[in-house]
Amino acid sequence: QSALTQPASVSGSPGQSITISCTGTSSDIGGYNYVSWFQQHPGKAPKLMIYDVTYRPSGVSDRFSGSKSGNTASLTISGLQADDEADYYCTSYTGTPIPSYVFGTGTKVSVL
Amino acid sequence: QVQVVESGGGVVQPGRSLRLSCAASGITFSTHAMHWVRQAPGQGLEWVAFISSDASDKFYAASVKGRFTVSRDNPKNTVSLQLNDLRPGDTAVYFCGGAAGTVEAPFDIWGQGTLVTVSS
Repeated sequence: QSALTQPASVSGSPGQSITISCTGTSSDIGGYNYVSWFQQHPGKAPKLMIYDVTYRPSGVSDRFSGSKSGNTASLTISGLQADDEADYYCTSYTGTPIPSYVFGTGTKVSVL
Repeated sequence: QVQVVESGGGVVQPGRSLRLSCAASGITFSTHAMHWVRQAPGQGLEWVAFISSDASDKFYAASVKGRFTVSRDNPKNTVSLQLNDLRPGDTAVYFCGGAAGTVEAPFDIWGQGTLVTVSS
């Protein structure tokens, strides 16, 4: 199972909006609505930001939103803040050939 | 307060074995499926293994199948990962992640990870 494709880096100024894409196949992103997004600061554990494509866990800012079209999922961060600077990973459930997960290659978000 | 703590990492020679443990508190452990995810130094996240809440289902990434074994002890709120025939490519921080539900449920509980270094 190949990793999902994300841009290596995305940057924006405080207050701006940015979008991170995550491209997979019909066997993962395109086949299921089980896409999650994680934020990871250096040396820290990943933190769930979005699950099931569009849902935010309790406590996650509504500046974070998710969507999906075909085999590509996207994470949008609006009103960019300094603390948003981190690595972001998408992941998708896949049932082929066995129930498992595939992660994205990761995107470094920089706040200019 | 939800807490997940991994332990058991260390430096090990190629071909040797190691057993990682993950202890959870603040959750109803017996209703949570658990995953292991690893991250090689400076690299991205890689899903490794899954065990269902009652241990009836276990799934592994192709890269570790046949070498790693996941298990759990619900009365002790712990999940373990037995790593056999270790290779340099297994060097990574291993995270334990919890999901309230079945294999499709999102991992919303994470520990801080334990570092495994495979080197001669």
